[in-house]
Amino acid sequence: DSGVTQTPKHLITATGQRVTLRCSPRSGDLSVYWYQQSLDQGLQFLIQYYNGEERAKGNILERFSAQQFPDLHSELNLSSLELGDSALYFCASSVGGTSGRRGEQFFGPGTRLTVL
Amino acid sequence: QKEVEQDPGPLSVPEGAIVSLNCTYSNSAFQYFMWYRQYSRKGPELLMYTYSSGNKEDGRFTAQVDKSSKYISLFIRDSQPSDSATYLCAGTGFQKLVFGTGTRLLVSP
Repeated sequence: DSGVTQTPKHLITATGQRVTLRCSPRSGDLSVYWYQQSLDQGLQFLIQYYNGEERAKGNILERFSAQQFPDLHSELNLSSLELGDSALYFCASSVGGTSGRRGEQFFGPGTRLTVL
Repeated sequence: QKEVEQDPGPLSVPEGAIVSLNCTYSNSAFQYFMWYRQYSRKGPELLMYTYSSGNKEDGRFTAQVDKSSKYISLFIRDSQPSDSATYLCAGTGFQKLVFGTGTRLLVSP
């Protein structure tokens, strides 16, 4: 158990809908990262927050947004869902604000999103 | 060209074998390297975290980084069926962590 929690475990929804994924980092970690993992794309970095502020952006679509709250939990919002958004979404956390020293990232169990 | 390349496998070995998993990367700015193990449909689990070139050992696992050739390796000694999983390498240069696509390892009893 990494100490990172994610809810829900599974989510099934229809195209065009909006969903919210939730992540709680390990105790003491200030950074939260979101990743998407699909069979053909591997693990893709979406976005990073550090202590409530956006720190880095990856291949995140405009239909997706995230935020980190004062208690350091984070939410990833996915809207106007398409079939291609079906994937595993992982949250990771680290102590530090950047990858590097204290940048080891610990992953949660993931949310499996199925868009029908 | 992907920043981190990894042979997808599968790599099949008998129990007790020494396993060598490898990655190459193209970004010279990478300073930190990680190996993750991922069981089917589970979150990646951090195995090794190394800085710059050199070796790091932890139990049956040894991580090796050669920055001159941009080559990352993970060795698993006395492999066990429970080691059967997908192994992901990753590199970073103080920005985002970039992952390889993973190598699937199968250890047969």
